[in-house]
Amino acid sequence: GAGVSQSPSNKVTEKGKDVELRCDPISGHTALYWYRQSLGQGLEFLIYFQGNSAPDKSGLPSDRFSAERTGGSVSTLTIQRTQQEDSAVYLCASSPGQDSPLHFGNGTRLTVT
Amino acid sequence: AQRVTQPEKLLSVFKGAPVELKCNYSYSGSPELFWYVQYSRQRLQLLLRHISRESIKGFTADLNKGETSFHLKKPFAQEEDSAMYYCALKGVTGGGNKLTFGTGTQLKVEL
Repeated sequence: GAGVSQSPSNKVTEKGKDVELRCDPISGHTALYWYRQSLGQGLEFLIYFQGNSAPDKSGLPSDRFSAERTGGSVSTLTIQRTQQEDSAVYLCASSPGQDSPLHFGNGTRLTVT
Repeated sequence: AQRVTQPEKLLSVFKGAPVELKCNYSYSGSPELFWYVQYSRQRLQLLLRHISRESIKGFTADLNKGETSFHLKKPFAQEEDSAMYYCALKGVTGGGNKLTFGTGTQLKVEL
């Protein structure tokens, strides 16, 4: 594809349920990032992958949040036992190298009711 | 710790007027700074980076280390400049290209 693809585009879930958010980076991009954008807030860094490993997961807000990346490509962000404060737009970005700009997806809008 | 501050949530200007979107940062090392833009119904994209020292769509930004600022400027605003603008700082902790973003400024250019 031409850009970073995220699915689903919208997700509504009940409090306490688990959700999985998917990111397909641009082919060949080795670096992958997850950010969260809450209402009135900036983009909050969650986790960064280089290949399949995550050298920086300092932004994950709690142990309910986890992410993995397989085959150096697709990444999944999982939120367990969702809470209302998890409601936000989750953005994925990829980059071909350390000094290259980030290419963002359209995001997944998560609403926890 | 690194922090990016954008004091204005909303900035309204008339078409043809000068624009300045403010950005201040806090970082102990040598910073690398960026401006990202999100137009309506489009994805977030890079506008410019300070190391490139280039003008994109008429916008420029100069890194002022003394004032720890990286304000975005354009002499004559156009209607198509209406968008959300984010200032971002590149950190080196953990390697890679981790960006710390500000809260963003919504620019509205009125006719």
